[in-house]
Amino acid sequence: SQTIHQWPATLVQPVGSPLSLECTVEGTSNPNLYWYRQAAGRGLQLLFYSVGIGQISSEVPQNLSASRPQDRQFILSSKKLLLSDSGFYLCAWRAGGMGTQYFGPGTRLTVL
Amino acid sequence: KQEVTQIPAALSVPEGENLVLNCSFTDSAIYNLQWFRQDPGKGLTSLLLIQSSQREQTSGRLNASLDKSSGRSTLYIAASQPGDSATYLCAVHAYSGAGSYQLTFGKGTKLSVIP
Repeated sequence: SQTIHQWPATLVQPVGSPLSLECTVEGTSNPNLYWYRQAAGRGLQLLFYSVGIGQISSEVPQNLSASRPQDRQFILSSKKLLLSDSGFYLCAWRAGGMGTQYFGPGTRLTVL
Repeated sequence: KQEVTQIPAALSVPEGENLVLNCSFTDSAIYNLQWFRQDPGKGLTSLLLIQSSQREQTSGRLNASLDKSSGRSTLYIAASQPGDSATYLCAVHAYSGAGSYQLTFGKGTKLSVIP
């Protein structure tokens, strides 16, 4: 069966510090991968998605970037965090096509 | 641009009651619709996926319906239990431009089942 991991589970970082969040998927190959942010009262916002290694699409302009160095690894990064980057970050995967999308456990990021 | 609305934003019911959660979307050109459950501080758990050609899907005490032409879906929960307390999110899968097909989410309905 497929599983999706995210770490760390929680993170508190000062403004201006760098960020690296990691997501890995097991039990499938060549998944579509997604990064979402969930802010209080605003719903889920798609940040990045990837259909293959090295292929990254950004949905919104922002202070963040994403990379996919391996087939089942997706990384969310920032060089300098802003207060507005605080939120709950969720990684998700879906097999190619229009099937079910599965989410990871999330990372709670607080920028102080 | 696709917009998804969920009403009500919050719902409180006594244990054992049957209930319906509503989801509406503005563009009927969707591929499928997915219902999720989210517990506080946790990720999303997929409950049901309805393809655009289907009218309903069932899983245990859950039944989801889809009326694509009117842009509506409902999630019916039978014989509610305190363990059903969570936020329920609806998402539609549709073309979002530039060769991309993405999920658009509603803001969810927070359900509380009172023992």
